[in-house]
Amino acid sequence: DVKVTQSSRYLVKRTGEKVFLECVQDMDHENMFWYRQDPGLGLRLIYFSYDVKMKEKGDIPEGYSVSREKKERFSLILESASTNQTSMYLCASSLRGGGYTFGSGTRLTVV
Amino acid sequence: AQSVSQHNHHVILSEAASLELGCNYSYGGTVNLFWYVQYPGQHLQLLLKYFSGDPLVKGIKGFEAEFIKSKFSFNLRKPSVQWSDTAEYFCAGSGNTGKLIFGQGTTLQVKP
Repeated sequence: DVKVTQSSRYLVKRTGEKVFLECVQDMDHENMFWYRQDPGLGLRLIYFSYDVKMKEKGDIPEGYSVSREKKERFSLILESASTNQTSMYLCASSLRGGGYTFGSGTRLTVV
Repeated sequence: AQSVSQHNHHVILSEAASLELGCNYSYGGTVNLFWYVQYPGQHLQLLLKYFSGDPLVKGIKGFEAEFIKSKFSFNLRKPSVQWSDTAEYFCAGSGNTGKLIFGQGTTLQVKP
């Protein structure tokens, strides 16, 4: 079974903190994605990556950055956390043209 | 721009009623389409997917969807819902780039 593991299930951070959300997949997938899920808005794509050291902006990249130094790991960085970034964050991976596997999510609260 | 939209945000049905959830997409070129379900407190699960071929796709738990290219639609159907189908349903699409875009989601509540 493909596994996508997100390091934290719940996280509480203070406004202005730098926050790292980690995602690791174990099936050698080329593509990795970060989404945030908010009620009534569905899942919105923040950033995605097709390969190591490669990144593309999604629909809502403002306030976020990403890092992909190794194929299996894709990190989402909140440079200076704000309360409007309180959300559920989902990581996913896929082969090119293949199905997508999602992690269990990180519920981030910024206070 | 690539987009996926779901018409119904909140649907309430009685058990044994038939279900149809709307999904429309806007993509240039090849499109792959998906329906996901998220039960309360659980991960996203894939219900079904369409890549090519037969436009009527059967998925898990008795769900099916029909790809109608002329209408840019990929509606999800189930002939008879159960209380256990209460969940949030997401339509999603990907094009040549592999970027997966989701609709806003539809919350389905099935009354026993």
